[in-house]
Amino acid sequence: GESVGLHLPTLSVQEGDNSIINCAYSNSASDYFIWYKQESGKGPQFIIDIRSNMDKRQGQRVTVLLNKTVKHLSLQIAATQPGDSAVYFCAENGSNDYKLSFGAGTTVTVRA
Amino acid sequence: KAGVTQTPRYLIKTRGQQVTLSCSPISGHRSVSWYQQTPGQGLQFLFEYFSETQRNKGNFPGRFSGRQFSNSRSEMNVSTLELGDSALYLCASSLAGSGPDEQYFGPGTRLTVT
Repeated sequence: GESVGLHLPTLSVQEGDNSIINCAYSNSASDYFIWYKQESGKGPQFIIDIRSNMDKRQGQRVTVLLNKTVKHLSLQIAATQPGDSAVYFCAENGSNDYKLSFGAGTTVTVRA
Repeated sequence: KAGVTQTPRYLIKTRGQQVTLSCSPISGHRSVSWYQQTPGQGLQFLFEYFSETQRNKGNFPGRFSGRQFSNSRSEMNVSTLELGDSALYLCASSLAGSGPDEQYFGPGTRLTVT
């Protein structure tokens, strides 16, 4: 079926290390992907997006990688900071369906 | 530029009642989407509006409805509330003329049904 999911529900990382959060999707028609960060008591915050005609996109301290062959998406956070502690969601959007389908989320905890 | 705003932020209702939630998108954004977030089901799409027209609808019962006004503000209504409707209701806005683009979320309305 059409779904987006994350490989691990939790991730613990040492402050200063790099984090990698993974996501698998099953809808081969998906052509737009977004990573969101959600802190407690807040709505999801846009981090970075990527379209299906790309395989890598970089932002400030974040990189998204898209492997369409195996339908895999990842978010890399460089030099993880305590403020990066949150739940991270990947979301996908198919062509012209005007909705996002979200994965279950990965809770990232940064250890001092 | 102000972000997406949602009112009220918290709401407590009893079973059988109805509720209306409001969302004001980012200025210039014409698309508004609604999502329900629960611990068990995660984030689930409810519906999306653009220029006062519903363009897509998720798999929710007819008790869930919405509308969009000419100024792009949107409301969603839930009638005959059930305990299972307790959730965080999130609104997101985007420019979204055609095709997908960035959606920006509001802080949500926390609905508790007792």
